[in-house]
Amino acid sequence: RKEVEQDPGPFNVPEGATVAFNCTYSNSASQSFFWYRQDCRKEPKLLMSVYSSGNEDGRFTAQLNRASQYISLLIRDSKLSDSATYLCVPRGDSSYKLIFGSGTRLLVRP
Amino acid sequence: DAGVIQSPRHEVTEMGQEVTLRCKPISGHNSLFWYRQTMMRGLELLIYFNNNVPIDDSGMPEDRFSAKMPNASFSTLKIQPSEPRDSAVYFCASSPQGYGAGELFFGEGSRLTVL
Repeated sequence: RKEVEQDPGPFNVPEGATVAFNCTYSNSASQSFFWYRQDCRKEPKLLMSVYSSGNEDGRFTAQLNRASQYISLLIRDSKLSDSATYLCVPRGDSSYKLIFGSGTRLLVRP
Repeated sequence: DAGVIQSPRHEVTEMGQEVTLRCKPISGHNSLFWYRQTMMRGLELLIYFNNNVPIDDSGMPEDRFSAKMPNASFSTLKIQPSEPRDSAVYFCASSPQGYGAGELFFGEGSRLTVL
């Protein structure tokens, strides 16, 4: 089983739509989780951290379900500029090691 | 403020040639990471330095790969000899903290093509 599994997509949604991505991870000992965003042919950038209680940053909401070992990202009121690949990133066994998922591609159309 | 700076941005070389990728981390960051990204395998950690010392090189594919960090502002990743399967985007990233780091600041990457 892969350490991190994500639906590669693409998710093709109209502007203004709400879209959600899930990610499952295999290491039950992972303590920290993140979502990174990567634009086409660009470097990954941190979108948000995922806290145990769930957290919200504007149109973005992240949730963590430790029992089921999955992380979710919800994007409300999608914008064209949200088109990107979203990488699910749990921390691995070592505190410095981030395990990057292969990403879910989002396309927001006019 | 300058971000992580990588060079070259693109490199095309022939099998068997030596390739050297360079990275300048963000000033003040004491952790540096080299990652490789391919369609098949995604982003893989190759090596991690903390305070210029290699801490984890378990991701380095084989002896053909080597990395150095002679000072806090410079690191190199060398492939010798290069092979077509080394074709990938190589990212350097830095962080102001090693342990517990969540945010990595990536450079724009070096896109390597080995013919």
